[in-house]
Amino acid sequence: DQQVKQNSPSLSVQEGRISILNCDYTNSMFDYFLWYKKYPAEGPTFLISISSIKDKNEDGRFTVFLNKSAKHLSLHIVPSQPGDSAVYFCAAITGTASKLTFGTGTRLQVTL
Amino acid sequence: EPEVTQTPSHQVTQMGQEVILRCVPISNHLYFYWYRQILGQKVEFLVSFYNNEISEKSEIFDDQFSVERPDGSNFTLKIRSTKLEDSAMYFCASTYAPGAFFGQGTRLTVV
Repeated sequence: DQQVKQNSPSLSVQEGRISILNCDYTNSMFDYFLWYKKYPAEGPTFLISISSIKDKNEDGRFTVFLNKSAKHLSLHIVPSQPGDSAVYFCAAITGTASKLTFGTGTRLQVTL
Repeated sequence: EPEVTQTPSHQVTQMGQEVILRCVPISNHLYFYWYRQILGQKVEFLVSFYNNEISEKSEIFDDQFSVERPDGSNFTLKIRSTKLEDSAMYFCASTYAPGAFFGQGTRLTVV
């Protein structure tokens, strides 16, 4: 049961351009959404989150947009940098300390 | 910056053997978790732990698995009799707010 989906397994973007990573969910009980970045053989690193009562949250180069009616969120990275190359996971929770339900990840490659 | 630490970074064990994976969560966090990621697959929830007891567990977390917080700082995951399909990266995480902070993981290889 895929409650959180990332339909693009990979994305390639030129350095300096915008990277847009997408995520869809099915469970309307989710009330918090998070993005994690992961390098091989390392643990996921928290990037940015958004509460379900908001539609946008920005932190430096990272902005997350939430469209509750479409059950869709996206992560924008601008400008993209080569160091952003990693796998990005969307995750969702149903309460402050509940488990994270992860998507399958999108591998972002930022090229020179 | 405080971080979640896990040991060992890599563990190789024979099928049927017991393994204990260790974690030191961030000190003021109250909620602790174990997740795993089989190679090429998504990160999967195993168990959450709060107030010295399991608060939630997944179907993966069967009788072969157990967790413990023996001394107020360490948080361990024990697999009693490992199977080949237990080979994965195991991540410990902790939090006091929405989301979680993850350790670097233990790569468990069952041979």
